Amino acid sequence: DTAVSQTPKYLVTQMGNDKSIKCEQNLGHDTMYWYKQDSKKFLKIMFSYNNKELIINETVPNRFSPKSPDKAHLNLHINSLELGDSAVYFCASGLGQGNSPLHFGNGTRLTVT
Amino acid sequence: GESVGLHLPTLSVQEGDNSIINCAYSNSASDYFIWYKQESGKGPQFIIDIRSNMDKRQGQRVTVLLNKTVKHLSLQIAATQPGDSAVYFCAENRNTGFQKLVFGTGTRLLVSP
Repeated sequence: DTAVSQTPKYLVTQMGNDKSIKCEQNLGHDTMYWYKQDSKKFLKIMFSYNNKELIINETVPNRFSPKSPDKAHLNLHINSLELGDSAVYFCASGLGQGNSPLHFGNGTRLTVT
Repeated sequence: GESVGLHLPTLSVQEGDNSIINCAYSNSASDYFIWYKQESGKGPQFIIDIRSNMDKRQGQRVTVLLNKTVKHLSLQIAATQPGDSAVYFCAENRNTGFQKLVFGTGTRLLVSP
């Protein structure tokens, strides 16, 4: 009964391809996030959705398109993959407002060759 | 031992020692702070949080100290165990309506038996 689950865990693909990462949370949270962790372990917020609406977009290239079919799911689609997209992508969920922690999935390691 | 979280430094301690991990945050308006633990191959896991109207909070074997004057946060782990080995991140909530957690650069803690 994983709270925040992402698939796949590993994704290896070639430059120029399009790929998607899926995320689901069963915590009943209204807000979901995507974070990117680079090779130096730095975690940077990419997007945030609240009740299926985009509320944070941290100047991510428009090759990245998040989609939230309902408040329990936030998928990340990436077009025309580049070498620099290689990273670990984490999905998270939270209450969105107020002071409460985010809950993270176990990440998707994307390798672009 | 002590460490400052820049460029993923490493703090090495012996089992049973007390560990102190430090973090400097950047936004004086941040009102909520969290410490996360990240083990290899997993997502960040919540350890302890503190609101800006407090300067100390204790959990089981962990204590967080907040000094708003110098924008400094620390995590103290008592009687460190090998299972505490991980990368530790501080995160600050830059509350602009909806929650936005911004992470520090992380510190790797290595505990030897």
